[in-house]
Amino acid sequence: GQQLNQSPQSMFIQEGEDVSMNCTSSSIFNTWLWYKQDPGEGPVLLIALYKAGELTSNGRLTAQFGITRKDSFLNISASIPSDVGIYFCAGFNTDKLIFGTGTRLQVFP
Amino acid sequence: GAVVSQHPSWVICKSGTSVKIECRSLDFQATTMFWYRQFPKQSLMLMATSNEGSKATYEQGVEKDKFLINHASLTLSTLTVTSAHPEDSSFYICSPIAGGPYEQYFGPGTRLTVT
Repeated sequence: GQQLNQSPQSMFIQEGEDVSMNCTSSSIFNTWLWYKQDPGEGPVLLIALYKAGELTSNGRLTAQFGITRKDSFLNISASIPSDVGIYFCAGFNTDKLIFGTGTRLQVFP
Repeated sequence: GAVVSQHPSWVICKSGTSVKIECRSLDFQATTMFWYRQFPKQSLMLMATSNEGSKATYEQGVEKDKFLINHASLTLSTLTVTSAHPEDSSFYICSPIAGGPYEQYFGPGTRLTVT
């Protein structure tokens, strides 16, 4: 099935550092969402973006909906150990979500 | 609000047997249910979409006779993996929609291991 490409695939950072990850697609989406998945659990919605160019924050998280509607980025500021997990972007396409390949984040104290 | 449960959370079965996974929306009604499959270190892949009272629509490459989906009520959907094989071992996640297209929630997942 169709997938969105995320980069980097994995990140190893120190606590307190800022993190940035990207998501790109060959198709246009009208809605972009960012999820976090902890091991053995379902994804949890972090941020939803509904308009091209939109910049939205949720605490230490900031995400932007690319102006071309083909990409999005997620920033995490001042990372903490509980930020560890897999981050997925997802684009809403007509009637279903298409998930990205994921970025695995490890935070070291 | 928007609590989704799945049962069982994990199951081990022998090859050739069938396994039923239940997904319940505890505090809302779900007219549409998505079922995803996630292999280790991979992303979520949509298997099928079902609407309450209707037959499910399966994604390309997903066998409808192998993965039986029942969405008989607005709060319960089931996925039955029939004649399971080791390659069906995966993490299965249900995802009901509460209202509009952006109110999609995810269950905690069911880890299936077929021996």
